Amino acid sequence: SQQGEEDPQALSIQEGENATMNCSYKTSINNLQWYRQNSGRGLVHLILIRSNEREKHSGRLRVTLDTSKKSSSLLITASRAADTASYFCATRGGSEKLVFGKGTKLTVNP
Amino acid sequence: NAGVTQTPKFQVLKTGQSMTLQCAQDMNHEYMSWYRQDPGMGLRLIHYSVGAGITDQGEVPNGYNVSRSTTEDFPLRLLSAAPSQTSVYFCASSREGMGTSNQPQHFGDGTRLSIL
Repeated sequence: SQQGEEDPQALSIQEGENATMNCSYKTSINNLQWYRQNSGRGLVHLILIRSNEREKHSGRLRVTLDTSKKSSSLLITASRAADTASYFCATRGGSEKLVFGKGTKLTVNP
Repeated sequence: NAGVTQTPKFQVLKTGQSMTLQCAQDMNHEYMSWYRQDPGMGLRLIHYSVGAGITDQGEVPNGYNVSRSTTEDFPLRLLSAAPSQTSVYFCASSREGMGTSNQPQHFGDGTRLSIL
């Protein structure tokens, strides 16, 4: 069964606005990763945050992790039409497996 | 580098047929895995391998076989195709697959499989 659950399932915003997506998970983790999937393509790794980190930045991306609440958020600032994609969180616990959520579909309108 | 290459990109099968989905990576990654992606279900792990000669089951292994004879290749075999196996299949690889690994996974562009 899925470990991570993204919220919302779908998000539609205007270009230039910020987009926030949330991920909740159920068991303890070693790290949490965010991936982007453009239509018809494979997933592309965006950012990884370790369980002992609380916030991480990469360009226009900001990820936070709250292990006490078992949740993470992905913020995309100053969104562009090219950010239109599905975004997935994935968690890795103590096993060899990386478990993905169902994704948030982001649409950025020009 | 090509990264992770999956073939074919599209395939239509009849119920009961067998086929092999190919996956190859040129990054010398130890860890490889197969996922299926269905609408509203996200990605579900089918099988994975932590190195040549070592494979293990994921969340939804039934109806699929894998082998890992080389570091580069990780084929997925459908033994007797069923309509429930209609899906998009993704292969991924990463530098290591230990439980505490902080390595990201690299994905291929998928194989879109329809079973009639």
